[in-house]
Amino acid sequence: GQNIDQPTEMTATEGAIVQINCTYQTSGFNGLFWYQQHAGEAPTFLSYNVLDGLEEKGRFSSFLSRSKGYSYLLLKELQMKDSASYLCAVTRGANNLFFGTGTRLTVIP
Amino acid sequence: GAVVSQHPSWVICKSGTSVKIECRSLDFQATTMFWYRQFPKQSLMLMATSNEGSKATYEQGVEKDKFLINHASLTLSTLTVTSAHPEDSSFYICSARPLQRTNTGELFFGEGSRLTVL
Repeated sequence: GQNIDQPTEMTATEGAIVQINCTYQTSGFNGLFWYQQHAGEAPTFLSYNVLDGLEEKGRFSSFLSRSKGYSYLLLKELQMKDSASYLCAVTRGANNLFFGTGTRLTVIP
Repeated sequence: GAVVSQHPSWVICKSGTSVKIECRSLDFQATTMFWYRQFPKQSLMLMATSNEGSKATYEQGVEKDKFLINHASLTLSTLTVTSAHPEDSSFYICSARPLQRTNTGELFFGEGSRLTVL
């Protein structure tokens, strides 16, 4: 099986930086995804980490430590539109993608 | 590119009836598609992996006779909820990985289908 844990909710201020953590325990780990999901909509792809280290893509960065079973998503210069759920997901084996509980981020003025 | 379309977007049906949801990859081929279910304020739960030309692989706890999956072509997978009951009301989402992007692991999601069983 797989255990993927994220904080349930977070609140941050517009313009600030927020870090959303994800820990996982899974056999056959291949890689880790971060997705953004607005209420009632399908998830949209943010990042994919396979190797240890930081991947930067604009305002969003994602970090992975395979040995620690740990990842985080870093959002900089927060905007109101960043209010959404952020889903951490791991791939196990060839194809399967398993999602964490998701972190509901609220950005306040 | 890499658009996945689901139909219908929402459906309301009576208890005991069957509902079919289609998932199409519009501009790419995918040998594998995935079906997820999401209850309100919860994360996506993988239901099954749909493989073109072969039987679907179901996750533990998902009834394969209730959730029938057919992946008849490289661009279409269908999920049929048979004898639906109110507890099956949920948001069903499919995803697909383009054949050319298997190395990236990136998945593209359909818009989701909201099922309400009365």
